[in-house]
Amino acid sequence: KQEVTQIPAALSVPEGENLVLNCSFTDSAIYNLQWFRQDPGKGLTSLLLIQSSQREQTSGRLNASLDKSSGRSTLYIAASQPGDSATYLCAVKTGANNLFFGTGTRLTVIP
Amino acid sequence: NAGVMQNPRHLVRRRGQEARLRCSPMKGHSHVYWYRQLPEEGLKFMVYLQKENIIDESGMPKERFSAEFPKEGPSILRIQQVVRGDSAAYFCASSPVRQANQETQYFGPGTRLLVL
Repeated sequence: KQEVTQIPAALSVPEGENLVLNCSFTDSAIYNLQWFRQDPGKGLTSLLLIQSSQREQTSGRLNASLDKSSGRSTLYIAASQPGDSATYLCAVKTGANNLFFGTGTRLTVIP
Repeated sequence: NAGVMQNPRHLVRRRGQEARLRCSPMKGHSHVYWYRQLPEEGLKFMVYLQKENIIDESGMPKERFSAEFPKEGPSILRIQQVVRGDSAAYFCASSPVRQANQETQYFGPGTRLLVL
């Protein structure tokens, strides 16, 4: 059974710092991996989707990498801003019809 | 193009009552997924539906929970005889017909159910 783990569970950084969030998964047979952002009391916003054949995706200050063979992904956030404060969720899509989610990393960017 | 819509956004029920959660997928999407997020936990898959068909309900509790996605109208997640442990955020997501495995799922804002 697929298990997704995110480390750290919480992270607090001063504004302007670059940071890395980690995600690991146990079954490398995935279709894709997604990073989402969840604000308190809100839904999920998709940030980046990496297909299984890809190594990385970039959007603005965000860069996500995927190493399928080792079951790892990282989300790199450059020049962090207070508006980046949220919970970041990693999810993998397997041969089943659903996404397997990690428990998230709660990020706080201090002005 | 409106996003995935869920209503109500907040729902309070007493133990033993029924809860009905509605989800309208994005226009042109015929795949709907329901997830549950318990307090301080990650999202867990419940059920995957296409129009008039339940494709995968492996994550749905065997009793009291049911889901449907009729030909017309929204998808409904129904919880009968609610208990306090059902208190959670319930998220709906949708994806297009074409190449569903390669597509992202678009999430609604969720329904937060509180059982008193």
